[in-house]
Amino acid sequence: AQTVTQSQPEMSVQEAETVTLSCTYDTSESNYYLFWYKQPPSRQMILVIRQEAYKQQNATENRFSVNFQKAAKSFSLKISDSQLGDTAMYFCAFYNAGNMLTFGGGTRLMVKP
Amino acid sequence: GAVVSQHPSRVICKSGTSVKIECRSLDFQATTMFWYRQFPKQSLMLMATSNEGSKATYEQGVEKDKFLINHASLTLSTLTVTSAHPEDSSFYICSALLDRADTQYFGPGTRLTVL
Repeated sequence: AQTVTQSQPEMSVQEAETVTLSCTYDTSESNYYLFWYKQPPSRQMILVIRQEAYKQQNATENRFSVNFQKAAKSFSLKISDSQLGDTAMYFCAFYNAGNMLTFGGGTRLMVKP
Repeated sequence: GAVVSQHPSRVICKSGTSVKIECRSLDFQATTMFWYRQFPKQSLMLMATSNEGSKATYEQGVEKDKFLINHASLTLSTLTVTSAHPEDSSFYICSALLDRADTQYFGPGTRLTVL
């Protein structure tokens, strides 16, 4: 079974600064996908970024980028130029086809003005 | 693209009544949809996997007779909470799997309160 660990329950960052959220996972699979989802106070789960395990290049989406270290089973999310709207719960998740999406426990991020 | 809607967003009902929640993929077809439950300040807990045209697969500990799931079309799955009780009060979230991307997209959730 896969497990996903987010070791930072809460983090804060000043507006316009950069913050990195950690995620590690454990799997014996070689083909899989990793995701970061954001859940703001509205509780809508929003896909932030997606990484395919067979791709070495780190995924980026505007101010969001990941550091994917397959051998270390690490998948951290970097948010650049943090904005107040980035305040949310962030969930790291693991998926391989035919199985369930496994979530980490979440990191609550507060962006301070 | 990849928008999922969920209705209603909020429902309050009396104990013993049944409540139906709808989940729709608006701009893609989804052979597989999922139903989650989320308790305050916790992660999402998978309740069941809904496959179009076949029976849902329930996770261990989830009562299939209490949480009825129907996935009658490629864009609609429904969750019916039967004979609801106060302990069923929770936030329920659905998702739809975009097959070509192996990615789940989530609905906005339904807050159920059972009095």
